[in-house]
Amino acid sequence: EPEVTQTPSHQVTQMGQEVILRCVPISNHLYFYWYRQILGQKVEFLVSFYNNEISEKSEIFDDQFSVERPDGSNFTLKIRSTKLEDSAMYFCATLRTSGNEQFFGPGTRLTVL
Amino acid sequence: QQQVKQSPQSLIVQKGGISIINCAYENTAFDYFPWYQQFPGKGPALLIAIRPDVSEKKEGRFTISFNKSAKQFSLHIMDSQPGDSATYFCAASMRREYGNKLVFGAGTILRVKS
Repeated sequence: EPEVTQTPSHQVTQMGQEVILRCVPISNHLYFYWYRQILGQKVEFLVSFYNNEISEKSEIFDDQFSVERPDGSNFTLKIRSTKLEDSAMYFCATLRTSGNEQFFGPGTRLTVL
Repeated sequence: QQQVKQSPQSLIVQKGGISIINCAYENTAFDYFPWYQQFPGKGPALLIAIRPDVSEKKEGRFTISFNKSAKQFSLHIMDSQPGDSATYFCAASMRREYGNKLVFGAGTILRVKS
């Protein structure tokens, strides 16, 4: 069964450093999402991406965040200058062209020290 | 209005019992209500989903009951098993031209005692 993959599984970084989280969506899925989950809390929407542009973003997704699909396969989330409060699990999700089932990747645990 | 409220926060059920988790929403534009199951260290996985034009959907031991007028929906796990022990999230979304974000409830930690 096709699945969403994410790398790295765990990223440790110093406050103020840039990080890039990577996702490989399911083939032929065209809608892409990033969500985050702070430890013990609910999953929160960050951004959705379709046709090479952001279609919606949340209040969390400020100027420090950016997304792109540089090579037509990987979908990346960049945090320019990490803060302690960015420590969380970051999940990529993808959606088929029709239907509503979003498939989630296993997540990247980001730890900001 | 974008919130989905979920209860209880945690639930302990004996093996073979029925687990019931409830969710409520405000935004009547929501038209898709999935339940996700999450094991520690893993991403959420879709368990079962319902649209507001039906009042109940059953898949194996899992049933969603949907009450459109009350704006509530619930997950029932029949014959609960220790392997069902996980965190369960309800969610809601509305169909949009360029995809649909999921709004999640706070989650319920289910423990099934053998």
